[in-house]
Amino acid sequence: AQSVTQLDSQVPVFEEAPVELRCNYSSSVSVYLFWYVQYPNQGLQLLLKYLSGSTLVKGINGFEAEFNKSQTSFHLRKPSVHISDTAEYFCALTSGSARQLTFGSGTQLTVLP
Amino acid sequence: EPEVTQTPSHQVTQMGQEVILRCVPISNHLYFYWYRQILGQKVEFLVSFYNNEISEKSEIFDDQFSVERPDGSNFTLKIRSTKLEDSAMYFCASSENLGDIKNEQYFGPGTRLTVT
Repeated sequence: AQSVTQLDSQVPVFEEAPVELRCNYSSSVSVYLFWYVQYPNQGLQLLLKYLSGSTLVKGINGFEAEFNKSQTSFHLRKPSVHISDTAEYFCALTSGSARQLTFGSGTQLTVLP
Repeated sequence: EPEVTQTPSHQVTQMGQEVILRCVPISNHLYFYWYRQILGQKVEFLVSFYNNEISEKSEIFDDQFSVERPDGSNFTLKIRSTKLEDSAMYFCASSENLGDIKNEQYFGPGTRLTVT
């Protein structure tokens, strides 16, 4: 069985500061990792994904994430956040031959002026 | 940009009643999914659907649930006899089938189901 852990349920940060949202996973087979963002009253939008190749993945809106197999992590980072980045962020994975996504519990990022 | 749509945005129903949640996936997508998120909990996979049949389902997706693609555009989730614990946000998603099973899933805005 696989699981995703997002340790921080809420992360407040000031505008233009850097941010890291943490994600750790557990799986007995190879994984494919995703970060989704959910703005208020909207669906889940894909930020970025790791399928294979380079462990540093760049996504939309200036976000990037690094796949670390030894630490079973896929942390999301942005060097300078904006007010508009305020949203809920979900880490998710698929593994083996399954298509279904397994989600973490989400991290609410709040960017303060 | 094409998007997944869901109706209604909010559904209130009484315990024991049947409810149908509707989704219109992106038109050229072939895989369809339902997920749910109970308030304060994780987004959970319910079922995936391909070629007019269920492809995968979770243990949550019991006999009370069913899915259907009644025409060329809609994808529905039916709950036959709702329970209080079915109250949740239900998300529909769809993805292409290009041979890569890790194709991105595109999510709709969700339907908030409240069972009273």
